[in-house]
Amino acid sequence: GQNIDQPTEMTATEGAIVQINCTYQTSGFNGLFWYQQHAGEAPTFLSYNVLDGLEEKGRFSSFLSRSKGYSYLLLKELQMKDSASYLCAVRDGDYKLSFGAGTTVTVRA
Amino acid sequence: ETGVTQTPRHLVMGMTNKKSLKCEQHLGHNAMYWYKQSAKKPLELMFVYNFKEQTENNSVPSRFSPECPNSSHLFLHLHTLQPEDSALYLCASSHDRGGTQETQYFGPGTRLLVL
Repeated sequence: GQNIDQPTEMTATEGAIVQINCTYQTSGFNGLFWYQQHAGEAPTFLSYNVLDGLEEKGRFSSFLSRSKGYSYLLLKELQMKDSASYLCAVRDGDYKLSFGAGTTVTVRA
Repeated sequence: ETGVTQTPRHLVMGMTNKKSLKCEQHLGHNAMYWYKQSAKKPLELMFVYNFKEQTENNSVPSRFSPECPNSSHLFLHLHTLQPEDSALYLCASSHDRGGTQETQYFGPGTRLLVL
């Protein structure tokens, strides 16, 4: 089966940086996605990595190491609106996504 | 607004009821998905449709019955559910099943409570 691990909860202060780690063991690998999900809302796409390295998108960056089965999502200059659940998902074939349980990030003033 | 809508947003039903969840996407996509999201658990893929054809049934009990009349609409028919079926049911769509950077876009979900 597929195994996607990420921390359950993280807390950080407004303006700080938080790094959410994700490790995976899957039967195949065809890209890793990060989604943001606010309570009661749809998961929204944040980033996609298929090659090793860092992808930067404004305050959010995502890193991938395929040899280590590891990714992280870096949130910089945290804002209160960043309080949400962050989902790591691995595509192991042509379309199927396997998700982690999500990391709930709480940003405090 | 992701371009994927779901109705109803909340549903309470008894174990003997029959109800349906509806999903509509306005993105011109060809693939649609049903997921189940339970508290503190990973999203579970239930069904996949590609060009109206069901291509995946992830060992889902027969009390859940999907229907895809066209590429824009997806239904999940529910009957004789159990309390453990209470969860958030999410619909998603993507341009196609394949492609190296195929991204799935999610609807807001239907929060289902089975009494």
